[in-house]
Amino acid sequence: DIQMTQSPSSVSASVGDRVTMTCRASQGISSWLAWYQQKPGKAPKLLIYAASSLQSGVPSRFSGSGSGTHFTLTISSLQPEDFATYYCQQANTFPRTFGQGTKVEIK
Amino acid sequence: EVQLLESGGGLVQPGGSLRLSCAASRFTFSNYAMTWVRQAPGKGLEWVSSISHSGGRIYYADSVKGRFTISRDTSKNTLYLQMHSLRAEDTAVYYCARDSDIDGYFDYWGQGTLVTVSS
Repeated sequence: DIQMTQSPSSVSASVGDRVTMTCRASQGISSWLAWYQQKPGKAPKLLIYAASSLQSGVPSRFSGSGSGTHFTLTISSLQPEDFATYYCQQANTFPRTFGQGTKVEIK
Repeated sequence: EVQLLESGGGLVQPGGSLRLSCAASRFTFSNYAMTWVRQAPGKGLEWVSSISHSGGRIYYADSVKGRFTISRDTSKNTLYLQMHSLRAEDTAVYYCARDSDIDGYFDYWGQGTLVTVSS
């Protein structure tokens, strides 16, 4: 199975900050990577697919990059509604696997 | 807008069975692969099972293989997850999700249904 490792596990940031988080795959997955946002008590929401493609309706302050084993999600200017937990997920092979999450907290 | 509505969760004793349903609407159900993802209380997301648009290809996580069965009924626009031999570690919110036009990415999710396995 492909292991997905996210870092950091949590980050404290202020509104307006630029926030970057990382996801590493235990083996190459080309660009078969998605990012999801999850708020407490809610279902996850797809933000980015194919490593860097913005899902329809997602604000452009979210961007993804990377390929192979190293990926990043960047929020260019953090907004109040962005405080949440973010998960990466590989779609290269079965079983699909998620990272353990990065929680973005208010500083 | 796409709608996915899960049902069937509840409290069940260890070793028991439960069937989850996911009613899909506002899209052509037969055109999309579907997936179950679960989340134990306070934990991260865990992929459980996926089924292709035709039902011809099915995949399971090792943790549920042999105990859970995914299926779909196109006439009812409904996805199912039959769960047997339930264990305490199966306690979680179970989400159904639609695979996007590119299989493997989950673009719409239901609100989830809680399964609690406890005596």
